[in-house]
Amino acid sequence: GAVVSQHPSWVICKSGTSVKIECRSLDFQATTMFWYRQFPKQSLMLMATSNEGSKATYEQGVEKDKFLINHASLTLSTLTVTSAHPEDSSFYICSASLFVLAGTSEQFFGPGTRLTVL
Amino acid sequence: AQKITQTQPGMFVQEKEAVTLDCTYDTSDQSYGLFWYKQPSSGEMIFLIYQGSYDEQNATEGRYSLNFQKARKSANLVISASQLGDSAMYFCAMREGRAGNNRKLIWGLGTSLAVNP
Repeated sequence: GAVVSQHPSWVICKSGTSVKIECRSLDFQATTMFWYRQFPKQSLMLMATSNEGSKATYEQGVEKDKFLINHASLTLSTLTVTSAHPEDSSFYICSASLFVLAGTSEQFFGPGTRLTVL
Repeated sequence: AQKITQTQPGMFVQEKEAVTLDCTYDTSDQSYGLFWYKQPSSGEMIFLIYQGSYDEQNATEGRYSLNFQKARKSANLVISASQLGDSAMYFCAMREGRAGNNRKLIWGLGTSLAVNP
């Protein structure tokens, strides 16, 4: 099946530093990737839709300058949390969309990245 | 507005029994897709089952089946013969419109399922 990886799986950083999270589709090309944020015991919150070769589309309330998304190739999207603060601590999950059957697309998820900002 | 409602924050089931997780949706679109995902404590999201709005038959995938009642706008997940490994969070999600790579999903709040030995 379609495999999506994320790196790192967890990261601890100091307040004020920037953290980059990578999302890779390992065995398929993904023109579209999605970035989610999830707080403990809550649902997924879509942050942005990342399209290869173009600017990401951010959801309302998500700071573009805070969460920089780059989708430089058909297999790699990155999320950079700039000047991280403790309130940015969360579980970040990416997904990549792929047609699996005629008329059906499915999002395949990465394993997630747990970010802790001290 | 499009919305997914999961009314059961937590559910318990005895091992080997069947359990139904509720999901209702709201959309004005005629074409949409419904998904169920499982999220164990490790955090990864695991795709379970998909139902298209025009599919006449209920979707099934092994021990998972989707009870699709279009008129009631419900898409309940049925897990048969529960196993201890089924203990996890379960999310219902909806994609509005025809399938497309840039179609985002609308998520429910999830149901935490605990399988008792």
